[in-house]
Amino acid sequence: EPEVTQTPSHQVTQMGQEVILRCVPISNHLYFYWYRQILGQKVEFLVSFYNNEISEKSEIFDDQFSVERPDGSNFTLKIRSTKLEDSAMYFCASSAGTSRNYGYTFGSGTRLTVV
Amino acid sequence: AQSVTQPDIHITVSEGASLELRCNYSYGATPYLFWYVQSPGQGLQLLLKYFSGDTLVQGIKGFEAEFKRSQSSFNLRKPSVHWSDAAEYFCAVGAKGTGFQKLVFGTGTRLLVSP
Repeated sequence: EPEVTQTPSHQVTQMGQEVILRCVPISNHLYFYWYRQILGQKVEFLVSFYNNEISEKSEIFDDQFSVERPDGSNFTLKIRSTKLEDSAMYFCASSAGTSRNYGYTFGSGTRLTVV
Repeated sequence: AQSVTQPDIHITVSEGASLELRCNYSYGATPYLFWYVQSPGQGLQLLLKYFSGDTLVQGIKGFEAEFKRSQSSFNLRKPSVHWSDAAEYFCAVGAKGTGFQKLVFGTGTRLLVSP
């Protein structure tokens, strides 16, 4: 079964440093997403991406965050200057975008720890 | 705005007993509904989803869920719980965007299985 692949699985970074989280969505999917889960809390939508631009972003997704599809397979989330409160599990997801063939699939996540 | 309520934070069930996890949603149109399971430190695995049609949906690992429009509910059930079912369970509603869906998650129910 097709998978969404995320790397790295764990990342520790110092406050103020830039981090890039990487994702390889399912190849025939058109819509890409990032979600965040702070430890012990619910999963929250960050951003959706389609046709090389952001479709929608939440209030969490401020100017410190950016997303990019640098080539035909990767989808990245960049945090420019990390804060302690950015420590969370970050999930990438992709979907086919149609109602019947929805195919909404999550990756296994990247646990980001900011120290 | 769309929302999902999972009223039970923790549930403890004896192995072999039946299980029902509650989920109520708020959404103005016909919802797309999902149940995900998350083992500690792991990603989100889709158990089942409802788009339309038969209101009783079968999923993986012996789980099923029933969509009840009149009660705005999508409760997850399993007739006989196994110790390996201990995990966190998230209900989610798909909120329509422009040709895509973002998922709004509930706060989760942690299932503990006693011997």
